[in-house]
Amino acid sequence: DTAVSQTPKYLVTQMGNDKSIKCEQNLGHDTMYWYKQDSKKFLKIMFSYNNKELIINETVPNRFSPKSPDKAHLNLHINSLELGDSAVYFCASSPTSNSYGYTFGSGTRLTVV
Amino acid sequence: AQSVSQHNHHVILSEAASLELGCNYSYGGTVNLFWYVQYPGQHLQLLLKYFSGDPLVKGIKGFEAEFIKSKFSFNLRKPSVQWSDTAEYFCAVSPPGYSTLTFGKGTMLLVSP
Repeated sequence: DTAVSQTPKYLVTQMGNDKSIKCEQNLGHDTMYWYKQDSKKFLKIMFSYNNKELIINETVPNRFSPKSPDKAHLNLHINSLELGDSAVYFCASSPTSNSYGYTFGSGTRLTVV
Repeated sequence: AQSVSQHNHHVILSEAASLELGCNYSYGGTVNLFWYVQYPGQHLQLLLKYFSGDPLVKGIKGFEAEFIKSKFSFNLRKPSVQWSDTAEYFCAVSPPGYSTLTFGKGTMLLVSP
């Protein structure tokens, strides 16, 4: 069983579209995250949720909206996609609100054309 | 805010050569330290981590890292690299009790057979 699973693995879409990326973890972790890896491989935190509540929201355009229906799921919805949104988006989870026991998903490569 | 510097963006080695990748962080207090590896097209995998105790940490695949508090460093080492070690390596830090990871910009290691 995949511990942190993301869908889709690849997403190609046109500018202006709205898209969602889904993430699910079966580890029983309380905290989930979204990280963005840009074309230069730089990884940066976007959002962090603990038990369905947003606890960290870094400087991210408000076109990005995370949604956590329950503590096992953290989805990322992106409105009005722009070329600069092209990146690999990684979901991750950890047992509590500390950095012990991080597990990353396999990533979603988003390409905006 | 903490930051992480990885001094080598690209490293090219021959098989059996020894490896040392530098990582320095800036943060005034105690930190948790991590090295992650990302093989081409894959997700992040944890190589090793340091939270406390023995500053020499052993990880998977023959990697080790040494935490030197006075130098704010956490360098990654491997005595003899293999072609299969070709990957991107990321150093990351997180203050205890704080869940998000701050990553360095990564070092691309290419091992030639």
